[in-house]
Amino acid sequence: GNSVTQMEGPVTLSEEAFLTINCTYTATGYPSLFWYVQYPGEGLQLLLKATKADDKGSNKGFEATYRKETTSFHLEKGSVQVSDSAVYFCALSDPAFGNEKLTFGTGTRLTIIP
Amino acid sequence: SQTIHQWPATLVQPVGSPLSLECTVEGTSNPNLYWYRQAAGRGLQLLFYSVGIGQISSEVPQNLSASRPQDRQFILSSKKLLLSDSGFYLCAARQVYEQYFGPGTRLTVT
Repeated sequence: GNSVTQMEGPVTLSEEAFLTINCTYTATGYPSLFWYVQYPGEGLQLLLKATKADDKGSNKGFEATYRKETTSFHLEKGSVQVSDSAVYFCALSDPAFGNEKLTFGTGTRLTIIP
Repeated sequence: SQTIHQWPATLVQPVGSPLSLECTVEGTSNPNLYWYRQAAGRGLQLLFYSVGIGQISSEVPQNLSASRPQDRQFILSSKKLLLSDSGFYLCAARQVYEQYFGPGTRLTVT
């Protein structure tokens, strides 16, 4: 079956540090890949996505590249801010299931200290 | 763009009591709808999804049930809550290949 493995947290960084949150996946088809962010007490928001190999998703300074050869979709940001503190979820949707379902990783809690 | 409403925002219920959580969607028609649960310190688990009125697919066996009485209404229910039902319940709607989430309901079973 499909699965998503995320870097375990929590992750604590200083403001302006470089961020990488690792994500690898297993899928039967050619999935679309997503990063969602959950701010404290809120639901999930789509942060970025990539729908095919070598696509790069980007938003709010975050980037992730769909790497089929390594089955990875690592999230990066060059200079984090306190407001980036949140839980980040990597997810995939598999066309083998008609894209009806999202499979999520367990989430990585990120804390940025001033 | 679509907006997803969930209520209540928070709920504290005793073990053995019934449950009804409601989700409504605005700004789209005939959406695919989803219920997820996020237990403390864990990821998201898909509980149910629906592709149309009266059509419910269950992902995991449990004492919860879901119903879709109207196109843009999705209800999560239980006849008797268990302690293990505590968690953060999220409703989502699909638009193209993306899922958009509501604000969630935090349920504490005591």
